[in-house]
Amino acid sequence: DSGVTQTPKHLITATGQRVTLRCSPRSGDLSVYWYQQSLDQGLQFLIQYYNGEERAKGNILERFSAQQFPDLHSELNLSSLELGDSALYFCASSVEVGASTDTQYFGPGTRLTVL
Amino acid sequence: AQKITQTQPGMFVQEKEAVTLDCTYDTSDPSYGLFWYKQPSSGEMIFLIYQGSYDQQNATEGRYSLNFQKARKSANLVISASQLGDSAMYFCAMREPGGYKLIFGSGTRLLVRP
Repeated sequence: DSGVTQTPKHLITATGQRVTLRCSPRSGDLSVYWYQQSLDQGLQFLIQYYNGEERAKGNILERFSAQQFPDLHSELNLSSLELGDSALYFCASSVEVGASTDTQYFGPGTRLTVL
Repeated sequence: AQKITQTQPGMFVQEKEAVTLDCTYDTSDPSYGLFWYKQPSSGEMIFLIYQGSYDQQNATEGRYSLNFQKARKSANLVISASQLGDSAMYFCAMREPGGYKLIFGSGTRLLVRP
């Protein structure tokens, strides 16, 4: 158990809908990262927050947004869902930011299926 | 641009034998970190081992060791005494200082035969 929690574990929804994925980082970790894992794109970085502030954006679509709350949990919002958004979404957390030694610990993931 | 390459899409190993999973990387920065993660069929990503670019010795964590050859830009994972529970996808990843994201390779699927 990495100490990172994600809910829900599975999510099935229809095209055009909006969903929210939730992540709680490990105790003491200030950084939260979101990744998407799909069969065709592999593991892709989406966005990172540090202590409530957005720090970096990756290949995140405009239909997607995220935030980190004062209690450090984070939510990833996916809207106007398309079939291609079906993927495994991971949240990871780490203590620091910007250090090459900083290890990211991953949550169990949320498997999103868009029908 | 930084890149991680894993050239073995799938591998077999006999139980109790050692296996090496290959990883090569490309970066122009002298300071970076290399990571290996395991993803079993259940889907979670499990951190296995870390190697820093300035580390003088190869990293080891239990049955996992990292064969780090800086000049060749390779960071191969060695699993000793393979167990059936080692069957999984294995991902090599890199992070540069000041960088926020991990860059992942395409992964190697390892199957341990009894």
